[in-house]
Amino acid sequence: NAGVTQTPKFRVLKTGQSMTLLCAQDMNHEYMYWYRQDPGMGLRLIHYSVGEGTTAKGEVPDGYNVSRLKKQNFLLGLESAAPSQTSVYFCASRASHYLPYEQYFGPGTRLTVT
Amino acid sequence: GESVGLHLPTLSVQEGDNSIINCAYSNSASDYFIWYKQESGKGPQFIIDIRSNMDKRQGQRVTVLLNKTVKHLSLQIAATQPGDSAVYFCAENSGGYQKVTFGIGTKLQVIP
Repeated sequence: NAGVTQTPKFRVLKTGQSMTLLCAQDMNHEYMYWYRQDPGMGLRLIHYSVGEGTTAKGEVPDGYNVSRLKKQNFLLGLESAAPSQTSVYFCASRASHYLPYEQYFGPGTRLTVT
Repeated sequence: GESVGLHLPTLSVQEGDNSIINCAYSNSASDYFIWYKQESGKGPQFIIDIRSNMDKRQGQRVTVLLNKTVKHLSLQIAATQPGDSAVYFCAENSGGYQKVTFGIGTKLQVIP
């Protein structure tokens, strides 16, 4: 099992550019999450999904969109990147019968917006 | 966790000593408290949890203590090893199946 994988690992964007971060999990988990991690702050939930074809907003959804067309994949899109979106992005997944915090995290994507 | 600006609080311990990492939580209604370990360049990894109706829980080389009176959580690591070097952060699960609030973290440095 590869667990949770994220693509790419690093990316530099110019302000206004767009990109998509890909998260894939091979554990057949129903729930998937996107977080951002910034210095001096805890992980903050951007969007999440409780199953294929469903998405919901988290704590900081503005400027991001997500899609869950397949159960194993959760995509995070930035339509027009801003410097404030410079961060490390983590994807996570869990099975529906796990407790909410029993999440498996990917290795992260470091995004810099100049 | 407390806000300490851009710099993580750091705890340096000698290899073989015990480590104690502290966390203050905010929501007295939280029903679970959790500790995660995050190694450099990796995602967080679940270590141990404790339910709000308990005050102590032990795992392998780790013990979590919960003091609800002062809203304080601690993680004790026995016989700290170089592989324990990481950022440790606490989290609280306050009902509603998606509501997990993560703290900032403490960086543990193990001195060989």
